[in-house]
Amino acid sequence: EAGVTQFPSHSVIEKGQTVTLRCDPISGHDNLYWYRRVMGKEIKFLLHFVKESKQDESGMPNNRFLAERTGGTYSTLKVQPAELEDSGVYFCASSPGTTNEQFFGPGTRLTVL
Amino acid sequence: AQSVTQLGSHVSVSEGALVLLRCNYSSSVPPYLFWYVQYPNQGLQLLLKYTSAATLVKGINGFEAEFKKSETSFHLTKPSAHMSDAAEYFCAVSVDSGYSTLTFGKGTMLLVSP
Repeated sequence: EAGVTQFPSHSVIEKGQTVTLRCDPISGHDNLYWYRRVMGKEIKFLLHFVKESKQDESGMPNNRFLAERTGGTYSTLKVQPAELEDSGVYFCASSPGTTNEQFFGPGTRLTVL
Repeated sequence: AQSVTQLGSHVSVSEGALVLLRCNYSSSVPPYLFWYVQYPNQGLQLLLKYTSAATLVKGINGFEAEFKKSETSFHLTKPSAHMSDAAEYFCAVSVDSGYSTLTFGKGTMLLVSP
């Protein structure tokens, strides 16, 4: 069974540009989460989808971040325009909902110059 | 609201020595507690989880953790470190058995020397 995959693994962009991160959850997992780790800090929750609906987006830092989950399958996280403080590692996780165990992807390392 | 404190951003041990990684939590409701490990260039992998069934939880790769309510702790231990245990370890708390979010500690990097 394939795990959670994320693309790209690394992204380096200039301040003001747009970047889109993608996450493919484990097949059949209705729950999809985005987390972010800024260097030196803890991993922090961004938002949670149940199927295609946003269940909780209380962790989204501001309206420059837009998350979507098309048809309840893969999800994208767009940052527009990117700022320096957006640099960090963005993790995606999924779970089936019958358990609180979350399965994590390898993360996307975003560097904003 | 819940929070997690991991004491020590880096812990160094010799191969064969005891591993002890500390985690203290704060939660207004009975917590569900997790330890995750991240090896270089990989995602977070679940080591073990506490879900109130037993206070001593055994996980993968010889790790275990003990839930101590009176001390609000969930420390991770392994009797004998291997070089392959070198990684970053994260303690996390959740507040229900369903699909609540995880609150993480800052992580502890375990360094193992020969």
